[in-house]
Amino acid sequence: DTGVSQNPRHKITKRGQNVTFRCDPISEHNRLYWYRQTLGQGPEFLTYFQNEAQLEKSRLLSDRFSAERPKGSFSTLEIQRTEQGDSAMYLCASSLPQGAGTEAFFGQGTRLTVV
Amino acid sequence: KQEVTQIPAALSVPEGENLVLNCSFTDSAIYNLQWFRQDPGKGLTSLLLIQSSQREQTSGRLNASLDKSSGRSTLYIAASQPGDSATYLCAVRPHSSASKIIFGSGTRLSIRP
Repeated sequence: DTGVSQNPRHKITKRGQNVTFRCDPISEHNRLYWYRQTLGQGPEFLTYFQNEAQLEKSRLLSDRFSAERPKGSFSTLEIQRTEQGDSAMYLCASSLPQGAGTEAFFGQGTRLTVV
Repeated sequence: KQEVTQIPAALSVPEGENLVLNCSFTDSAIYNLQWFRQDPGKGLTSLLLIQSSQREQTSGRLNASLDKSSGRSTLYIAASQPGDSATYLCAVRPHSSASKIIFGSGTRLSIRP
């Protein structure tokens, strides 16, 4: 499978626990994005990497959230001290580097439930 | 600030009908517009990408148009089938921040057999 891969697909955690999600982008894509989607809404931008550099972060990304892409390949999104409001679908996307008009490809997402 | 709106939020039509989904955006300074399909509990599947210099794109029974000056796009689905039932999302990549894709809230489409 050469698409964007996200793991795990589902995560249930107790409030206050830390969770980490992984995203493996399409291999030749140097741009990687994280989005969050709540029920009935469109995805909201969280953060963006070009290679290993995190170039933009949304105000939605509180200090409990951290994202990394250490070698410019896979990325991780960690949420510390989870809250019930963090329950959502977390989506990862990647795209090619040529210009700004390239198509974004999304993974299947990780659905987080905080109980 | 770029905002993307999709109306209606939900649509139910009988099988076989042709239908149009609407998307509007507030700032015409975009690099491209992309239509996605999302099945319940799943990720996003890219359907069509229209560059800002293009007026339309076609893929099978789908046709997407773009009128950048008026800030509108439509997704036309011909001869709808029950398998087309899903949420359809419209998204733009704005000049103001090419690293972001700004989404609408989607239209939930149901095709009745």
